[in-house]
Amino acid sequence: DAKTTQPPSMDCAEGRAANLPCNHSTISGNEYVYWYRQIHSQGPQYIIHGLKNNETNEMASLIITEDRKSSTLILPHATLRDTAVYYCIVRPYNQGGKLIFGQGTELSVKP
Amino acid sequence: DAGITQSPRYKITETGRQVTLMCHQTWSHSYMFWYRQDLGHGLRLIYYSAAADITDKGEVPDGYVVSRSKTENFPLTLESATRSQTSVYFCASSESLGRYATNEKLFFGSGTQLSVL
Repeated sequence: DAKTTQPPSMDCAEGRAANLPCNHSTISGNEYVYWYRQIHSQGPQYIIHGLKNNETNEMASLIITEDRKSSTLILPHATLRDTAVYYCIVRPYNQGGKLIFGQGTELSVKP
Repeated sequence: DAGITQSPRYKITETGRQVTLMCHQTWSHSYMFWYRQDLGHGLRLIYYSAAADITDKGEVPDGYVVSRSKTENFPLTLESATRSQTSVYFCASSESLGRYATNEKLFFGSGTQLSVL
């Protein structure tokens, strides 16, 4: 099973920041946190990943707490096209190339 | 930018038939994966492959067979399809997601929607 906990759904107003939380209290020191999203009927899309420092790219920012037990994905100015299911994943260390997806958070961006 | 392609996009078959879903990537990525997605279960890993001729089971491998004779292709076969295998199947690839790698990303295809009647 995935070692992450996310709220099943969230709403966000268009143009506002969307903050998606994720708990990963059993994370190991050398495990990365990944975020993917899946827009309806499409394949999942990589967003961002991090180990311990905060990360930012053209799509989003990732804030990881100092104890690494939780993280937040931030979409700074959400648009209607950001409506999707967002998956927070902890990559198992030493288990080869497996990413185990949980249930994710269904984000609805509303006008 | 061909990337990763899956075929067919939609497939309807009958119980007991053999079905093969195709996956092709143009990046020469080492790792390839098959996932299935069902309501209430999210994405579940079926099989993955670290390189040509190397495959390994994921979470739900029963009823499926894979092969990887060439780096770019990773077909998934249902030898005797059952209704429980009705699902959306996604193929993915990654440049390197080795045993100790921790910072690689997966690229997914558009999926194959399979219905077993």
